[in-house]
Amino acid sequence: DVKVTQSSRYLVKRTGEKVFLECVQDMDHENMFWYRQDPGLGLRLIYFSYDVKMKEKGDIPEGYSVSREKKERFSLILESASTNQTSMYLCASSTGRAVVSTDTQYFGPGTRLTVL
Amino acid sequence: QKEVEQDPGPLSVPEGAIVSLNCTYSNSAFQYFMWYRQYSRKGPELLMYTYSSGNKEDGRFTAQVDKSSKYISLFIRDSQPSDSATYLCAILMIYNQGGKLIFGQGTELSVKP
Repeated sequence: DVKVTQSSRYLVKRTGEKVFLECVQDMDHENMFWYRQDPGLGLRLIYFSYDVKMKEKGDIPEGYSVSREKKERFSLILESASTNQTSMYLCASSTGRAVVSTDTQYFGPGTRLTVL
Repeated sequence: QKEVEQDPGPLSVPEGAIVSLNCTYSNSAFQYFMWYRQYSRKGPELLMYTYSSGNKEDGRFTAQVDKSSKYISLFIRDSQPSDSATYLCAILMIYNQGGKLIFGQGTELSVKP
């Protein structure tokens, strides 16, 4: 069974703090993704990575950065947290090398971040 | 215009009802379509995927794609309270190294006993 874990389920931070969200997958997947999920907006892609030390901007990268130093770990960094970054953050991974039709993304349980 | 549009609901139905969940998409080049289910306080999980026009069945679930209308649907027969969740349609965009998903807003479904 694929397992994607996220470091925290709930996090409360103050405006201006630097925030690290960690994601680890145990299936040797090449691709990893960070999304945020907001009511009425669905899941929006922040950043993704298709290999170690590689990263690509998603649809809403502003205010975020990422780090992928090891294949199994993908970190999302909020350099200076703001209240509009209060959201549910979801990490996902996928093989990226298999037949396209089975390029399933497996999601972690999510981190609910509140920025005060 | 959003690339994928989905009615956010919420949708409330009695147990045993047939549920129809729908999405439209804008880019006719999209080829791969998925439905994810997300229970409360959990991450999404893949329910079904399809890549051709027509129907695909899996138990009580049927995924339907109409590429000419750019319309995808998920039907749930004999709905159960355990089907209560948010359902997200997603389009898979292919790039060299793999795929990127574009999600609809999600439809919140509640099945009442």
